[in-house]
Amino acid sequence: DIVLTQSPGTLSLSPGERATLSCRASQSVSSSYLAWYQQKPGQAPRLLIYGASSRVTGIPDRFSGSGSGTDFTLTISRLEPEDFAVYYCQQYGSSSPYTFGQGTKLEIK
Amino acid sequence: QVQLQESGPGLVKPSETLTLTCTVSGGSISTYYWSWIRQPPGQGLEWIGYIYHSGSSNYNPSLRSRVTISVDTSKNQFSLKLSSVTAADTAVYYCARHPHGDNSPTDFWGQGTLVTVSS
Repeated sequence: DIVLTQSPGTLSLSPGERATLSCRASQSVSSSYLAWYQQKPGQAPRLLIYGASSRVTGIPDRFSGSGSGTDFTLTISRLEPEDFAVYYCQQYGSSSPYTFGQGTKLEIK
Repeated sequence: QVQLQESGPGLVKPSETLTLTCTVSGGSISTYYWSWIRQPPGQGLEWIGYIYHSGSSNYNPSLRSRVTISVDTSKNQFSLKLSSVTAADTAVYYCARHPHGDNSPTDFWGQGTLVTVSS
């Protein structure tokens, strides 16, 4: 199985600041089959980014994804109050099973 | 707009079989792949398995011996059976859609249903 390790576990920032979340894979993620989700309390995860860097329609352009191979990053350029949530990365390539990182909690400083 | 809704018992006894159904509305269950994903309280996400409308399926090896996912295209539903449950299977269970085949993430999710395993 591909293990995804997210860092940091918790990130404390203020609105307007830039957030950088990391996701490192234990082996190369094929064809950049890497996604990012946002989850707020009591809600299902929401898909933000797929293919490592493609933003889902309707997701604000302050969200961006980058990376390849084993190292991936989600960047939120200027934090809005509604961005504080838990973020998960997921690999969904042919190397079944699909796996998720343990999550990064983005909290208000 | 596609909507997914999980349904089933919220309480299951240890050693019994957990059974959930996901009803898809606003679109056909055909063409797409459909997954079950779970999240223990306060923890992260675990993919359980997926099914295609043809009935082809794939399961997480860690659960494969206990999981069966089936599809009923006439009802636009797919179902999860997890046998021999223990307290470790207590979780919110989500159903979700893969929009572009099995090598795609999940774009639409149900709201989730909490299943507690307890006697």
